Amino acid sequence: ETGVTQTPRHLVMGMTNKKSLKCEQHLGHNAMYWYKQSAKKPLELMFVYSLEERVENNSVPSRFSPECPNSSHLFLHLHTLQPEDSALYLCASSQEGSSGSPLHFGNGTRLTVT
Amino acid sequence: AQSVSQHNHHVILSEAASLELGCNYSYGGTVNLFWYVQYPGQHLQLLLKYFSGDPLVKGIKGFEAEFIKSKFSFNLRKPSVQWSDTAEYFCAVNAPYTGGFKTIFGAGTRLFVKA
Repeated sequence: ETGVTQTPRHLVMGMTNKKSLKCEQHLGHNAMYWYKQSAKKPLELMFVYSLEERVENNSVPSRFSPECPNSSHLFLHLHTLQPEDSALYLCASSQEGSSGSPLHFGNGTRLTVT
Repeated sequence: AQSVSQHNHHVILSEAASLELGCNYSYGGTVNLFWYVQYPGQHLQLLLKYFSGDPLVKGIKGFEAEFIKSKFSFNLRKPSVQWSDTAEYFCAVNAPYTGGFKTIFGAGTRLFVKA
């Protein structure tokens, strides 16, 4: 049990589909993150939410749309994705205000775009 | 821009061998440094962290890392690896940006330990 729960664990979608990834944290943290993990590449930071306000959008294409309705939940809405978007999408949380606060990760959603 | 470089993509060791995984970062200011580990089929989890003070940091499962400021390095070490240490290891830097702090990761080093 990580304290950060992601659903679904696996997702296969066509390029014209619309789907959403969900993340929930049970740690009382006030910051949440989406990372993309591709083979042989560093973890790529996509979005950062601090106190439910987006503070970072790391040049992510508009086909990825995040939503943070409260400090415990984070969504990533997907539409008209490309095959190169296939990757493991990781959600993480931390306690902002402390620069040394480590990230707590979920198990990820393995996304395959066909 | 800040970046983190890990020296090896794959390392293969026999049990009881000593381990050192290299990590260098590019940022001239104050940073906080981390090593994360991802065991097969599991989530990423914190192995150890450096904030300040003693540059030699001890983490879980016998791992340690040494921060050498002059070399911008934070190498991970373990004197004697076990089969259960087979995992992927990620070095990370927490550096300031306009909105606060963000964590930047290296590409990871996959360690295989032969029984």
